[in-house]
Amino acid sequence: DQQVKQNSPSLSVQEGRISILNCDYTNSMFDYFLWYKKYPAEGPTFLISISSIKDKNEDGRFTVFLNKSAKHLSLHIVPSQPGDSAVYFCAASEGASGTYKYIFGTGTRLKVLA
Amino acid sequence: DAGITQSPRHKVTETGTPVTLRCHQTENHRYMYWYRQDPGHGLRLIHYSYGVKDTDKGEVSDGYSVSRSKTEDFLLTLESATSSQTSVYFCAISGLETEKLFFGSGTQLSVL
Repeated sequence: DQQVKQNSPSLSVQEGRISILNCDYTNSMFDYFLWYKKYPAEGPTFLISISSIKDKNEDGRFTVFLNKSAKHLSLHIVPSQPGDSAVYFCAASEGASGTYKYIFGTGTRLKVLA
Repeated sequence: DAGITQSPRHKVTETGTPVTLRCHQTENHRYMYWYRQDPGHGLRLIHYSYGVKDTDKGEVSDGYSVSRSKTEDFLLTLESATSSQTSVYFCAISGLETEKLFFGSGTQLSVL
């Protein structure tokens, strides 16, 4: 039973346009959410986070939105750049338990076309 | 970059042999994790540790054991490797002061 789902395996976007990556979760106890970017042959790198007390967090070109009632979060990248082409993972955790045991989605491969 | 070193970076082994992967951190972080990455499955948690000698199972722990005798080292052991354990293994760390995970560069393991 997958608790964190990324239903779009891939996404193609033109350079300069907005990329929207989606993530759904089933466990209502999740209260910390992270987004990671992964290039081939490298470890995942942290992009942006959000806790359940917020519905939006912004860092430069990256914005994460959280809709707790729908158990849905999304990552917006504006404007998209060719260097953003990578696999993106969302992750969720019950941070209040103190362990930060993150469950990851299956990833979305983003391709930004020049 | 967080100080995380995984060794070896690549390993090829035969079915039935024992394999140990090592994760070493220089950040003095409390929490350490082992994940595996497979196509179609994303990153799945194998085991994690919340302190020296304190470990617990993750989503896919069968066939794996871990040990943490020092804060800086977290070992993942495949007692008898199987072909289904061919994967890329990532170690991650996090501390009390942050909710973020920092990942190592990974170990590509092939079990023939």
